[in-house]
Amino acid sequence: DAMVIQNPRYQVTQFGKPVTLSCSQTLNHNVMYWYQQKSSQAPKLLFHYYDKDFNNEADTPDNFQSRRPNTSFCFLDIRSPGLGDAAMYLCATSRAVFMGGNEQFFGPGTRLTVL
Amino acid sequence: DAKTTQPPSMDCAEGRAANLPCNHSTISGNEYVYWYRQIHSQGPQYIIHGLKNNETNEMASLIITEDRKSSTLILPHATLRDTAVYYCIVRLLKVGGTSYGKLTFGQGTILTVHP
Repeated sequence: DAMVIQNPRYQVTQFGKPVTLSCSQTLNHNVMYWYQQKSSQAPKLLFHYYDKDFNNEADTPDNFQSRRPNTSFCFLDIRSPGLGDAAMYLCATSRAVFMGGNEQFFGPGTRLTVL
Repeated sequence: DAKTTQPPSMDCAEGRAANLPCNHSTISGNEYVYWYRQIHSQGPQYIIHGLKNNETNEMASLIITEDRKSSTLILPHATLRDTAVYYCIVRLLKVGGTSYGKLTFGQGTILTVHP
């Protein structure tokens, strides 16, 4: 089945130690998104890619970066994780709006713990 | 995007209809109403969306009032697996620009389906 895959499902890192989360998709969608969801809160968009065009949300900290080397893969890099960055990180994909892209497909998420 | 207001929690008996309300009194003419849900420890899942007319699919029905200031998501025969957080999102679909496709999640309604 076509899907959005996130690896690993659980990631533990140390305070200040860079960490990379990965997302892959078999849907061939143009748009890929990264959301952060802290405990008992709603998901919050960090940034998204439309093809190779990167779009950062205004309030996303500089500590968060992203790479999209090809259509299928997208990475979230946290350069110096702090305790406040512990959260579930959700990857999602969609087709572009002008191609009828109404629905975002979410992966299962990666739960990040910062020690 | 317009803000939405949802009750924080609701209960429903298994087999009965679950009616989840949402207020979006500042919605503008070109904004759609979307519903997603998030089952515990999973990524959000698209349910349904609409602009003016009522919509139905295999998961749910969406009733939008004539003035578009509120809507109701109906799960016709709720099951235990429908226990989740339900998010009502008002979304502007723009062709071009960088904010198309963006989902701004509110706090949602925790729906608990009881046996």
